[in-house]
Amino acid sequence: AQSVTQPDIHITVSEGASLELRCNYSYGATPYLFWYVQSPGQGLQLLLKYFSGDTLVQGIKGFEAEFKRSQSSFNLRKPSVHWSDAAEYFCAVDGNKLVFGAGTILRVKS
Amino acid sequence: DAGVIQSPRHEVTEMGQEVTLRCKPISGHNSLFWYRQTMMRGLELLIYFNNNVPIDDSGMPEDRFSAKMPNASFSTLKIQPSEPRDSAVYFCASSLLQGGTGELFFGEGSRLTVL
Repeated sequence: AQSVTQPDIHITVSEGASLELRCNYSYGATPYLFWYVQSPGQGLQLLLKYFSGDTLVQGIKGFEAEFKRSQSSFNLRKPSVHWSDAAEYFCAVDGNKLVFGAGTILRVKS
Repeated sequence: DAGVIQSPRHEVTEMGQEVTLRCKPISGHNSLFWYRQTMMRGLELLIYFNNNVPIDDSGMPEDRFSAKMPNASFSTLKIQPSEPRDSAVYFCASSLLQGGTGELFFGEGSRLTVL
């Protein structure tokens, strides 16, 4: 069965600084990979997804993620964080069903 | 376009009462998912339907939980009888799966508190 690990429960970055959120997955083959964002009181919204092809994928709101098969990772990055990016971020893997990580709460300080 | 619509947004009830949560998926989507979110367990898939048929209900906690999808535009998740440990946010999501996985569109959730 597939699983997802997000090792950081909370991350705090300064506005304008770069961001990297970590995600590691476990699955026997190449899965479909996703990053979702959840603002307080809201449902989840898809940021980006990887199915195949180019291992660097671009998403909405200036986010990108890189699939590294050798490391079983799919880390999310953003070069310059805005205060509105404060939210909870979920990595998800779909082998035979979609499984979410525990989430990383991003705080942005001004 | 309307997104996934869930009702009620908030429900407070007493232990032992029946709770019914409702979901209207995005028109044209053929898959519907019910998730539960708690601080302790994160996001858990309870059940999902494809073309109104339950495909995987292995996440349904116990017999007190049941879900139906009588048509393509409506689904319910029922808890009877409810218990305090059922307190959580319940999300409905829909998707247009095309031979594989697809983007899930989530509703805003139903926050359930069982006293």
